[in-house]
Amino acid sequence: QKEVEQNSGPLSVPEGAIASLNCTYSDRGSQSFFWYRQYSGKSPELIMSIYSNGDKEDGRFTAQLNKASQYVSLLIRDSQPSDSATYLCAVHTGNQFYFGTGTSLTVIP
Amino acid sequence: KAGVTQTPRYLIKTRGQQVTLSCSPISGHRSVSWYQQTPGQGLQFLFEYFSETQRNKGNFPGRFSGRQFSNSRSEMNVSTLELGDSALYLCASRQRATGELFFGEGSRLTVL
Repeated sequence: QKEVEQNSGPLSVPEGAIASLNCTYSDRGSQSFFWYRQYSGKSPELIMSIYSNGDKEDGRFTAQLNKASQYVSLLIRDSQPSDSATYLCAVHTGNQFYFGTGTSLTVIP
Repeated sequence: KAGVTQTPRYLIKTRGQQVTLSCSPISGHRSVSWYQQTPGQGLQFLFEYFSETQRNKGNFPGRFSGRQFSNSRSEMNVSTLELGDSALYLCASRQRATGELFFGEGSRLTVL
């Protein structure tokens, strides 16, 4: 079983819609959770971090954490074509980061 | 504040050669990690250094090695290159207060 699992997609949403990205993790002791955006040919860029259960909002992005169900999600409101990228979920467990393989998002104008 | 700086950005090597990649972390960050990213395997953890000590190591052969200097700059070395070593090598420095990882632009290695 992989430490962090994401639906690889591709996920397509129309411009202006809400994009919902999901991630599950296997270690209940995980404490820190992160979402990265990676454009094709570029390096991952941190967009959200979340540490406690509930929602955390930053602009058009909302991260949701449910430790009991061991899932993390990222909502992107009012999706824009510039949001088209691969989104990586990362979990810090023990003394190591584990990354999902990413979900490819395409926002259709 | 300058970000994580990696050099070189692109390099081409042939099988059997060795390569050294360099990483300068964000000022004040003492933890540096290295990752290999390939289309099929995603981000794979290589190793982490903190205060010149290797704190953690991923599941890579001994051909992959690294070190960290007293100024927190880090290097990784890959010896006896194989075709499968072609990848994007990413360095990340970690902010101690938040635990957040910040990546450099990467070094894209092609092995012919």
